[in-house]
Amino acid sequence: GAGVSQSPSNKVTEKGKDVELRCDPISGHTALYWYRQSLGQGLEFLIYFQGNSAPDKSGLPSDRFSAERTGGSVSTLTIQRTQQEDSAVYLCASSSGPISTDTQYFGPGTRLTVL
Amino acid sequence: TQLLEQSPQFLSIQEGENLTVYCNSSSVFSSLQWYRQEPGEGPVLLVTVVTGGEVKKLKRLTFQFGDARKDSSLHITAAQPGDTGLYLCAGAETSGSRLTFGEGTQLTVNP
Repeated sequence: GAGVSQSPSNKVTEKGKDVELRCDPISGHTALYWYRQSLGQGLEFLIYFQGNSAPDKSGLPSDRFSAERTGGSVSTLTIQRTQQEDSAVYLCASSSGPISTDTQYFGPGTRLTVL
Repeated sequence: TQLLEQSPQFLSIQEGENLTVYCNSSSVFSSLQWYRQEPGEGPVLLVTVVTGGEVKKLKRLTFQFGDARKDSSLHITAAQPGDTGLYLCAGAETSGSRLTFGEGTQLTVNP
């Protein structure tokens, strides 16, 4: 079956522009996560959606970052007025439930470069 | 926020050698996971350990969760070039399902 997909795979933008990153989770997965990963480093939690509950936004680094999940499926991460320090790989993951031991399946990520 | 310290950060060894990667925290986790990530791809889950003192084996990989559920180790026996990759540990907080990731260990196994 299809895994988690993300688009675009690469995005190069100029400082100050807005960008939208898309995540298509595995069908039927109720939980969706966004992470940020700097080169060769660990993952930094950004935001978590679970079903119809209010999202956990506690990892968003600034108010320039926002995310939506429409219809409990596709999610979009938006970064407004991008800065060079926003350059990173943005990873999306989905899981079948909210329990910590539920396996998170990751997409291939979107590599964002802010010039 | 709970923190996980992973060591070593980089490890370059010859094929056939053994190695151990460590993941430590001052906080207690409800479970701990190990992932392997290859360039251009997302992390892939290797194992989840839940019980303090638990040991799990996956072929040549042995995972251990500390008795106090604050630390974990990954031991690879007779490493092979195919083991090359970024190994990440991730702890689940005692509340909720949010994962805290370590900084990763970049392993290179030379033939």
